[in-house]
Amino acid sequence: QKEVEQDPGPLSVPEGAIVSLNCTYSNSAFQYFMWYRQYSRKGPELLMYTYSSGNKEDGRFTAQVDKSSKYISLFIRDSQPSDSATYLCAMGPGAQKLVFGQGTRLTINP
Amino acid sequence: SQTIHQWPATLVQPVGSPLSLECTVEGTSNPNLYWYRQAAGRGLQLLFYSVGIGQISSEVPQNLSASRPQDRQFILSSKKLLLSDSGFYLCAWSVEQLAGGAPMAQYFGPGTRLLVL
Repeated sequence: QKEVEQDPGPLSVPEGAIVSLNCTYSNSAFQYFMWYRQYSRKGPELLMYTYSSGNKEDGRFTAQVDKSSKYISLFIRDSQPSDSATYLCAMGPGAQKLVFGQGTRLTINP
Repeated sequence: SQTIHQWPATLVQPVGSPLSLECTVEGTSNPNLYWYRQAAGRGLQLLFYSVGIGQISSEVPQNLSASRPQDRQFILSSKKLLLSDSGFYLCAWSVEQLAGGAPMAQYFGPGTRLLVL
């Protein structure tokens, strides 16, 4: 079993839809949880960052962490074609040893 | 603010040739530095990380090596490239605590696309 599991997709939704991206993990020592967005042929950029459990909202993006279920989610509201990218979850006991998910390729159709 | 540079952006090399990829970070001191490889349609594979000058940890035994000659410079090298070395190479940095309470995450460079023929 991988330490972090992420459905690779691809996921295709119409513009304006709510998108839900998820990762599960097995290591209870993970305290820091991140979501990265990676456009084609570019480096990943940090999108959301959460420490421990709870929700965090930033504009159209909401990150949720449920440590009891070892499950994290990223929600995108009012999705736009510019949101089309690969989304990577990442987590670890600190920033030094992050474990990344495989990435979910998302396409928002106009 | 902090920035990270990688070059070259794209590289096409023949099998058996040497490799040198460079990464530099600006705007921070004593960062942790990382080299990742990302194969097409796959996740990130950590190759090396460094917590200081001359301190390199290898995560995957392979044809590559890394060096950190200066605090904010990280170099990925190979003496003889293999076809399997093709991929997208990413450099990243992190620090224990950023000013202003910014997230303790890893921050990535633009990447180098390597094609070995």
